[in-house]
Amino acid sequence: ETGVTQTPRHLVMGMTNKKSLKCEQHLGHNAMYWYKQSAKKPLELMFVYNFKEQTENNSVPSRFSPECPNSSHLFLHLHTLQPEDSALYLCASSQPGTAIYGYTFGSGTRLTVV
Amino acid sequence: SQQGEEDPQALSIQEGENATMNCSYKTSINNLQWYRQNSGRGLVHLILIRSNEREKHSGRLRVTLDTSKKSSSLLITASRAADTASYFCAPSGNRDDKIIFGKGTRLHILP
Repeated sequence: ETGVTQTPRHLVMGMTNKKSLKCEQHLGHNAMYWYKQSAKKPLELMFVYNFKEQTENNSVPSRFSPECPNSSHLFLHLHTLQPEDSALYLCASSQPGTAIYGYTFGSGTRLTVV
Repeated sequence: SQQGEEDPQALSIQEGENATMNCSYKTSINNLQWYRQNSGRGLVHLILIRSNEREKHSGRLRVTLDTSKKSSSLLITASRAADTASYFCAPSGNRDDKIIFGKGTRLHILP
């Protein structure tokens, strides 16, 4: 375990479903991130939160809705997804001043949209 | 934020041999990090080298940095089957940079 826990590990959902991915860390970090990793593509940074505030949204479709209720928890709410949204979703956390300390990643949620 | 470019894209070597992968970047950096990703898992932070350092070691890992050439290399000595993974470099220009990952180097250790 890295200290960043993602649940569930695997998720299969229909295009009309609503589901949520959860990320939790107790490392004392104040920055949290969502990345998407599709097959044969580089990791894509989706959202960045610093001290619970969203500071970056990289043109992510509105069918992905992040929520950060506190510095330890990050959610990604999913609704009316498309098959091309099937991917590995990775959560990471760090101290602010990110690049100095490196990121700690969770093990990811493998999402399949059918 | 900037993205590093890893080379080669794929590398297969025999167990016990050394593996070297390279990273190039475009603009000046504060530090450069290397990460490993086992198939279908999250990334693991391996090592960070600061811009004023030329070489850093961690166990079987050796990282070099040449800021004049804007390049870094990661050497894994005495490779093991467990080293089979993708490796990513992450150059960072300042403390507020977000880490943007490239395509990585896929390393396969043959038995």
